[in-house]
Amino acid sequence: DGGITQSPKYLFRKEGQNVTLSCEQNLNHDAMYWYRQDPGQGLRLIYYSQIVNDFQKGDIAEGYSVSREKKESFPLTVTSAQKNPTAFYLCASSSTSVGTQYFGPGTRLTVL
Amino acid sequence: DQQVKQNSPSLSVQEGRISILNCDYTNSMFDYFLWYKKYPAEGPTFLISISSIKDKNEDGRFTVFLNKSAKHLSLHIVPSQPGDSAVYFCAASGNRQTGANNLFFGTGTRLTVIP
Repeated sequence: DGGITQSPKYLFRKEGQNVTLSCEQNLNHDAMYWYRQDPGQGLRLIYYSQIVNDFQKGDIAEGYSVSREKKESFPLTVTSAQKNPTAFYLCASSSTSVGTQYFGPGTRLTVL
Repeated sequence: DQQVKQNSPSLSVQEGRISILNCDYTNSMFDYFLWYKKYPAEGPTFLISISSIKDKNEDGRFTVFLNKSAKHLSLHIVPSQPGDSAVYFCAASGNRQTGANNLFFGTGTRLTVIP
């Protein structure tokens, strides 16, 4: 089955710790994206990558970092510099940089 | 500043009737619009899209209408079914010719279809 997987579904971390969220796709999509969703709000773009070894900041990149070493994988690290990291994180991919984006199931991160 | 707005946070409709979800945008550079459906604790599911060169796109029970002069689009679901109950997000992207595909999302409308 082709799709986008995110793990884990629920994640807890202590304040001051870095944590990495996984995103994998087997759709052979070139572009991948990270969004966060907060209660009552729409999705906001954190980072995106149009090709391997290249990525750009989105609207709310501060306190986050990414890597794109493989086409299938686009992990997101939430660093201790992120002031309000508790949120629902969504990964997406699209076949091209202008294609329709398809989303994974999401990871809910809670900072204790 | 919210460039894509969904001013109705919720909508209730009787099963079998039409559901109309509305979306407004402010950026005239947006040229591609999408609707996503989302259940709690799940990722959004793509429903239907429309390019700015069209004013209507239909896919089964779902139709999206675009009014560029008013910077307004709407999603019609006919007939509405209880399984349609979810949060619906409107999204827009611009500058597709330059390769940028950043999506700007509205805040969502929670649709409840009453059996």
